[in-house]
Amino acid sequence: EPEVTQTPSHQVTQMGQEVILRCVPISNHLYFYWYRQILGQKVEFLVSFYNNEISEKSEIFDDQFSVERPDGSNFTLKIRSTKLEDSAMYFCASSQQGDNQPQHFGDGTRLSIL
Amino acid sequence: GENVEQHPSTLSVQEGDSAVIKCTYSDSASNYFPWYKQELGKRPQLIIDIRSNVGEKKDQRIAVTLNKTAKHFSLHITETQPEDSAVYFCAASGGGSYIPTFGRGTSLIVHP
Repeated sequence: EPEVTQTPSHQVTQMGQEVILRCVPISNHLYFYWYRQILGQKVEFLVSFYNNEISEKSEIFDDQFSVERPDGSNFTLKIRSTKLEDSAMYFCASSQQGDNQPQHFGDGTRLSIL
Repeated sequence: GENVEQHPSTLSVQEGDSAVIKCTYSDSASNYFPWYKQELGKRPQLIIDIRSNVGEKKDQRIAVTLNKTAKHFSLHITETQPEDSAVYFCAASGGGSYIPTFGRGTSLIVHP
């Protein structure tokens, strides 16, 4: 069964540094998402992406965040100047369609800011 | 925006017992309700979903019920097994946004 893949599995970064988290969505999916999950808490929506542009974003997704689909397969989340509170698990997800369709999650990237 | 409440936060059962997890939502326009299972350190995995045009859906030992009038939906797991131990999240979406709002999760512990 096809899966969403994410790299790296764990990223350790100094506060203030930039990080890029990478995702390869399922190949025939059209909608892509980033979520974050602080340890022990619920999954929180960051941003959705369709047709090469952001379709929705949450209040968490401020100016330090950006997303990109640099080629036909990768989907990236960049955090420009990391803060301690950015430490979390970041999940990428994808779905075939947007409306009321199951979202398939990757294994996540654990981001640790020191 | 949508608000999803989930109860209980922790549920401990003996192997073979049934487990029920309940969620309520606030936006009457929501029409898609997925349930995810997340084992420790792993990805959330969709286990079952229900759309607003049905009241119940079953898949082997798992069932979900939806009461649109009361705006609540529940996950039922029968004949629980130790491998059912995980955190379960409910979610709701629809009404103009396909972004799911997640509940806070229920940690299910099944004792052998």
